[in-house]
Parts: sequence; C-alpha cells; structure tokens
Amino acid sequence: GNSVTQMEGPVTLSEEAFLTINCTYTATGYPSLFWYVQYPGEGLQLLLKATKADDKGSNKGFEATYRKETTSFHLEKGSVQVSDSAVYFCALERSNDYKLSFGAGTTVTVRA
Amino acid sequence: EAGVAQSPRYKIIEKRQSVAFWCNPISGHATLYWYQQILGQGPKLLIQFQNNGVVDDSQLPKDRFSAERLKGVDSTLKIQPAKLEDSAVYLCASSPMAGIRETQYFGPGTRLLVL
Repeated sequence: GNSVTQMEGPVTLSEEAFLTINCTYTATGYPSLFWYVQYPGEGLQLLLKATKADDKGSNKGFEATYRKETTSFHLEKGSVQVSDSAVYFCALERSNDYKLSFGAGTTVTVRA
Repeated sequence: EAGVAQSPRYKIIEKRQSVAFWCNPISGHATLYWYQQILGQGPKLLIQFQNNGVVDDSQLPKDRFSAERLKGVDSTLKIQPAKLEDSAVYLCASSPMAGIRETQYFGPGTRLLVL
C-alpha cells in the first residue's frame, strides 16, 4: 500500500539552527511528494512539492529532494526562524487516483 | 481570493449527541474533501465530492457519519450519534478539479471534543 513515515517530534531548536525532518515513503507507481505546514490556528498549507525522482522542491528557504533510491523526501532548512514554528506533514499523492496520504506530522518549535 | 471557510472552529458535545460542520470551498473549485485528523496522526480522507456527486466515501463510517454537497458549493458533514473516538479536527479542502494533479487548499478545521 501507500504510506508515509516521518520523524517523530517534537523538535525544539534555537533560531538560526539547521532543521531536518526525515520522511520516507512506500508507494506503488510514481507518486508525487509534498510537504505541508500547519501554523498555529491555521489550516494546512502546501510548502513544497516534487513530482518525479531527483526533483527538488523549495520554498521559504526550505528544500526537499525526491530520492527514489532511498524512498525519501527529507525536509531541510539551513537557518530557522521563530516564525517557522509549526507542524510539518509529509505526504504522497498516489499516481493512480491522486489521493493524498499523510504522515503523522512533526511539531517544530524555534526559540529566540 | 478568499480561502476555504469552516465553521464552527470548536465544538464540545457529549457522546451520543449529534453535531454538524460546515465548509465553504474556494469559489469555482469543483472538488471538495473532508478529512479527519486525530491528535498525533496525519489527516485521513473521509469523503470526496466532485461538484455535488460523491467520488469516494470508502473511509466514511456510514453508520454514524453523513455528508452532503447539495448545490455543488458548500458542504455539511454530520455525526449522529457521536462517540468518544470521534474527537478530532475535521478539515475541509478544495481543489479546482479531480482526477488530475491539483493542489488541495485546506480550511482552518473544526476541532471536536466528545465527552
């Protein structure tokens, strides 16, 4: 089946620290991969996506590369800010019906 | 452009009571989704509409959950009667079309607590 496993949180960092959140997936076919972010009190927002192997998605200083050989899509940011405090969800979009499967989410707190 | 609207934002009920959630998608979006997000888990799809027709309700517990989108615009999700395990955030999302790769836009969610 299709599933996503992401690093458990919570993760607490200081401002300007390096952030990485691991995500691995199991899928049939060729899924698209996403990172969604949920800021406090808000809905999920698409952060970045990659639709095929070796694609790199990037947005707001965050990056993730679609690695087919390791079935991974790890999220990274070189220097986090307090405003990056949120819950981050890794997700895959099935290639046959385009439905989304989400990971459990990783809570990130950045301290000033 | 206005986003996906949901109400209420919070609801507390006792078990065996009924509750309804409302969603108004982004104008012009044909596809509407309801997700259930239990604490500590990712969102799980409950039902998907294309205009006013149901595309997928395979994960909807039909003995107690129902949803409708009568005019192909806003939608209501109902739980009757509620159980303790229904405590979760109910997310509504919309996208322009279904069956192709389209970004889903999510509302803020309704947080339900069943006591």
